[in-house]
Amino acid sequence: RKEVEQDPGPFNVPEGATVAFNCTYSNSASQSFFWYRQDCRKEPKLLMSVYSSGNEDGRFTAQLNRASQYISLLIRDSKLSDSATYLCVVKTGDSSYKLIFGSGTRLLVRP
Amino acid sequence: GAGVSQSPSNKVTEKGKDVELRCDPISGHTALYWYRQRLGQGLEFLIYFQGNSAPDKSGLPSDRFSAERTGESVSTLTIQRTQQEDSAVYLCASSFDRNYGYTFGSGTRLTVV
Repeated sequence: RKEVEQDPGPFNVPEGATVAFNCTYSNSASQSFFWYRQDCRKEPKLLMSVYSSGNEDGRFTAQLNRASQYISLLIRDSKLSDSATYLCVVKTGDSSYKLIFGSGTRLLVRP
Repeated sequence: GAGVSQSPSNKVTEKGKDVELRCDPISGHTALYWYRQRLGQGLEFLIYFQGNSAPDKSGLPSDRFSAERTGESVSTLTIQRTQQEDSAVYLCASSFDRNYGYTFGSGTRLTVV
């Protein structure tokens, strides 16, 4: 089983739609959680950290459920520019510098 | 520099040849990481450097892979006797400290033919 699992998609949604991605992780000792965004043939860039109480950054909301070991990302009012691959990323306590990446969920926002 | 710089941006090599990839981290970033991303896959951890501490090499896939970093400066990743399965984008990242966020370079796209 992969340490971090995501639905690869693609999610194909119209502009203005709300879309949600989930991610599950296998190591219950995981301590830090992130969503990264990766555009085609570009490097990953940090979108947002995920906090236990949930957090929001503009149109983006991240949630963490430690009991079920999953993380979610909600995007409201989708824009064309949101089209990208969204990577779920986890750090575990035993090697806290090492990011464990999911394979990503691809989002396509159409006009 | 302002960001993490990697060179070359693209490299095509023949199977069996050695290649050397270079990463120039952000000035002042003590932590440096190498990751590999195969087409359509997530990033795989390769190696981590933190200052003058012994590196974590646990992600290196075989003894054909090695990496060096002198102090807090440039790092090189060397792949000896390249194989076709080594074809991937090799990404370098740096951070101020292990507990801070990464900044990735734009990667080296390696193609072994």
